[in-house]
Amino acid sequence: AQRVTQPEKLLSVFKGAPVELKCNYSYSGSPELFWYVQYSRQRLQLLLRHISRESIKGFTADLNKGETSFHLKKPFAQEEDSAMYYCALSGLTTSGTYKYIFGTGTRLKVLA
Amino acid sequence: ETGVTQSPTHLIKTRGQQVTLRCSSQSGHNTVSWYQQALGQGPQFIFQYYREEENGRGNFPPRFSGLQFPNYSSELNVNALELDDSALYLCASSLRRIMNTEAFFGQGTRLTVV
Repeated sequence: AQRVTQPEKLLSVFKGAPVELKCNYSYSGSPELFWYVQYSRQRLQLLLRHISRESIKGFTADLNKGETSFHLKKPFAQEEDSAMYYCALSGLTTSGTYKYIFGTGTRLKVLA
Repeated sequence: ETGVTQSPTHLIKTRGQQVTLRCSSQSGHNTVSWYQQALGQGPQFIFQYYREEENGRGNFPPRFSGLQFPNYSSELNVNALELDDSALYLCASSLRRIMNTEAFFGQGTRLTVV
């Protein structure tokens, strides 16, 4: 089955602590992986994508094809990181069209 | 440059009715995707339009249909509404049809079916 799994609904950490939001996926073929974030009262926005290998707001994510994982990490959490985080993938289907799958999301709470 | 806008923001419909939701893409974007987000769930992909043609579809029945216009704005139509169709409907636009370019989301339309 094709899916994106985010095992934690809620993750609470203290300010300055490391953060790791887990994401595992199941997809035949070579999907593109993304992390989206939704801050309070704001719309969903792209945080980062694996193809860019970038670090945004101190967050990084490494695609591990062997473990089919794309965990999001940050060494030192800040209060403004509190938000809802969604892992997502896009993939080409056998009919040549595109498919997008989002995980159920993890709410990150950074405590002062 | 304007962002993605959706209308209306809230809507209440009766079971069995039909509904049309609208989305204006970000300026210059030629691809639009629609998503359904039920409470406590992640967005579920409904379909994508690229240059006025459907370019991908999720696991939604045919009563979910769409259109993209020459100005790249889009509509989502849902016929024979069911109670389970109650959700937040999101529209996202991007410059190209492949999603490794950034997709910009609208604020959503909250549909309630009673």
